[in-house]
Formats: sequence, C-alpha cells, structure tokens
Amino acid sequence: DVKVTQSSRYLVKRTGEKVFLECVQDMDHENMFWYRQDPGLGLRLIYFSYDVKMKEKGDIPEGYSVSREKKERFSLILESASTNQTSMYLCASAVRWTGRKTQYFGPGTRLLVL
Amino acid sequence: GDSVTQMEGPVTLSEEAFLTINCTYTATGYPSLFWYVQYPGEGLQLLLKATKADDKGSNKGFEATYRKETTSFHLEKGSVQVSDSAVYFCALTLNAGNMLTFGGGTRLMVKP
Repeated sequence: DVKVTQSSRYLVKRTGEKVFLECVQDMDHENMFWYRQDPGLGLRLIYFSYDVKMKEKGDIPEGYSVSREKKERFSLILESASTNQTSMYLCASAVRWTGRKTQYFGPGTRLLVL
Repeated sequence: GDSVTQMEGPVTLSEEAFLTINCTYTATGYPSLFWYVQYPGEGLQLLLKATKADDKGSNKGFEATYRKETTSFHLEKGSVQVSDSAVYFCALTLNAGNMLTFGGGTRLMVKP
C-alpha cells in the first residue's frame, strides 16, 4: 500500500528556532512536494523536487529551504521560524513521467510558532 | 496563470441531502481534473479524477463530469452521510511532472 509519512503530527516551536519537517515515501517516486495549507487559501506549493539533490521553488518559497539527499526523503527547513509560518504542512509524492497521475499525501504536520 | 475556484464553505447539509460543490478552472492547456478529500486530522486523499472532456469520475457515491465548454468539474452526491463531513479540494494538473493547482477547499458538514 502507498505510504507517505511525516515525522510529526504536531509541533510547537518558538520564534527564531530552526525547524525541520521530514517526509518519507516508500513508493520509489521521483517527485516530492511540500505544501502549506491555510484556511481559505487551499494548498500552496512551497518547494518541490524531481530527483535527488534537485529542487525547485514553488509559489511561496520565502522563509523555507529543502533538502533531498535520498530519493525517499524530502525535508522542509524553516531557518528561523516566524509566527506567520504557523500552518499545516503537507508532503506529497508522485511518479514523474507517466502522465498526470495523482499525488499521494502524508497526514500533515500542524506547526505552531509562538 | 492556471487557477481553480471553488464555492466557499462551509456547506451544511442534513443526512441524505443532495450535495453539489462547484468548481471552475482556468488553464492555458488541456488539464486533468481531480477532487481530493481531507477528513479531520488527515492528509488529502484522491476522491476521483477525469482526464478529458465529458469524462465522468466517480467513487464512493460521488461523481464529477469534466465540462470543457463551461470549464467546470462540479462534485455531486445524491445522498450524503455524516461520514462525508470533510474538506473537499478541486485541483488540476497540466503537465507530466504532476504539478497540481488547488482550489481553496470547501468544508462540508453533514448533520444527522
């Protein structure tokens, strides 16, 4: 069965802390994505990666960075957390070139920055 | 740019009522269309999809028809249940990289 896991369901951090959100998929997917979900705004793409060590900015990359050292793992990094980064963060993965297939989502990490 | 517009929620219905959640899109090409559902405390799951005009996606009693002439993909269900309470997202993709553009989401609340 398809599986995307995220390291934490809930996180509470303080302003200025460095925050790591981890995502692991077991489907050998090339593409991985990080979104944030906010009420009324739907999902907005932060970064995506189409291969190991490759990354591309999404719609809202400011304040975030990512790391993809292994195919199955995609990390989102908040270098210095701020209160406006309080949100739900969703990771997803997908095959690359088989034409418009779905993305598979993890359960999400709800981050609160105080 | 490409975009997806959904009706704003929350939508509150009684059990066994008929459901419609409107979704329209703008796209520079010929997209594939999706409905995702997010149950409380969970990530998104694919509910149904359609890849070409006049296709009908269906799953768990939900249906949506890809209408190219009206650029719409409205979600319908004939008789909702309390267990259908969730947030529903309409989305499109245009490319083989499987990049998704999402609507804002519509919360559905079904009361017994």
